[in-house]
Amino acid sequence: AQTVTQSQPEMSVQEAETVTLSCTYDTSESDYYLFWYKQPPSRQMILVIRQEAYKQQNATENRFSVNFQKAAKSFSLKISDSQLGDAAMYFCAYRSAFARDDKIIFGKGTRLHILP
Amino acid sequence: KAGVTQTPRYLIKTRGQQVTLSCSPISGHRSVSWYQQTPGQGLQFLFEYFSETQRNKGNFPGRFSGRQFSNSRSEMNVSTLELGDSALYLCASSLGQVNTGELFFGEGSRLTVL
Repeated sequence: AQTVTQSQPEMSVQEAETVTLSCTYDTSESDYYLFWYKQPPSRQMILVIRQEAYKQQNATENRFSVNFQKAAKSFSLKISDSQLGDAAMYFCAYRSAFARDDKIIFGKGTRLHILP
Repeated sequence: KAGVTQTPRYLIKTRGQQVTLSCSPISGHRSVSWYQQTPGQGLQFLFEYFSETQRNKGNFPGRFSGRQFSNSRSEMNVSTLELGDSALYLCASSLGQVNTGELFFGEGSRLTVL
């Protein structure tokens, strides 16, 4: 069975600085998708960034980028120029590319605090 | 386009009661998934429905059930509530075809069991 591990329950970063959230996963599958979701306080969860396992190039979305190390099964999220609105719970997630359903496996999350 | 709508947003029940939660997906989305979110366990997959058929089910007791209607709206039911069922229940929708997996989440229904 696939698992997703986020080893940092909480992190803090100064506004305008850069922070990296860690995620490791375990799978025996060769093709899959990895995601970072953001859940702001009392607001709905939204997708931040997505990585397809067969693509070697790391995904980037504006200030958000990932470091995808397939052999190491590592998928970290880097947030540059942190803003107050980035404060949220961040979930790393995995989805099999072979699945015929929408089941996604989530890590337990990292709560990110932005210090003004 | 309206997002995923979950009702009720908050509810309080007592042990032994049952509860029904509702989820209206984004228009055109045919897949609805349900997740239980707790501080200790994080997000755990409950089940997923596509075109009124359950495609997958998580490792939860039979007290947790769900269904999907022809308009893609979904309900989940928890019978004989236990204290440990207190959680945020999240619903997510997608187009449902094999895709890159982006789910669109509702704001959740927060259930407190006393």
